Amino acid sequence: DAKTTQPPSMDCAEGRAANLPCNHSTISGNEYVYWYRQIHSQGPQYIIHGLKNNETNEMASLIITEDRKSSTLILPHATLRDTAVYYCIVRERSGGTSYGKLTFGQGTILTVHP
Amino acid sequence: KAGVTQTPRYLIKTRGQQVTLSCSPISGHRSVSWYQQTPGQGLQFLFEYFSETQRNKGNFPGRFSGRQFSNSRSEMNVSTLELGDSALYLCASSPGTSVRDTQYFGPGTRLTVL
Repeated sequence: DAKTTQPPSMDCAEGRAANLPCNHSTISGNEYVYWYRQIHSQGPQYIIHGLKNNETNEMASLIITEDRKSSTLILPHATLRDTAVYYCIVRERSGGTSYGKLTFGQGTILTVHP
Repeated sequence: KAGVTQTPRYLIKTRGQQVTLSCSPISGHRSVSWYQQTPGQGLQFLFEYFSETQRNKGNFPGRFSGRQFSNSRSEMNVSTLELGDSALYLCASSPGTSVRDTQYFGPGTRLTVL
């Protein structure tokens, strides 16, 4: 799986949009970008994933650059409950050694302030 | 639908002992993956089981083993415990039929080795 680079920490004011960047410059055509988050001492929670088009769900939006070398996770109106570690993960699109496996990096610690 | 459950939630063992952790996946999910999370190494993939067979494996010593039952419940065993095995052990379940399946994590078992 391609390696990802994320800033170690970010701050955001409650109610404002949180924009979390991720660099995956070695991503290949058969790899998806996934985002998970982990609230302190809980299991990671799936947020969103995408291949090359922008994606949106009830939790967040995912913007992937045209060259696919980077992406941004957007939490449109951050709340205190969004304080967590956010992981950007690149996964293969098909079979091989990717079944059931997520390769986590160090992630970004997002702190939402009142 | 009930989520992924893990038992026990907390466990204290001493060096040299062995331990068995249990994971019950979401109903209908056939894949169970196990992860170890430590402050130093972060979240690391241990192995994945699908239909009672180990399908994928991470880079952990043979002291770490697992199995899956016909009802998809899975157990993980660590023999000859070492201090460094102290960690949060997480399991995740998914349908298992596609590499792109979303993985749903349980709350984890906190293992302390004294």
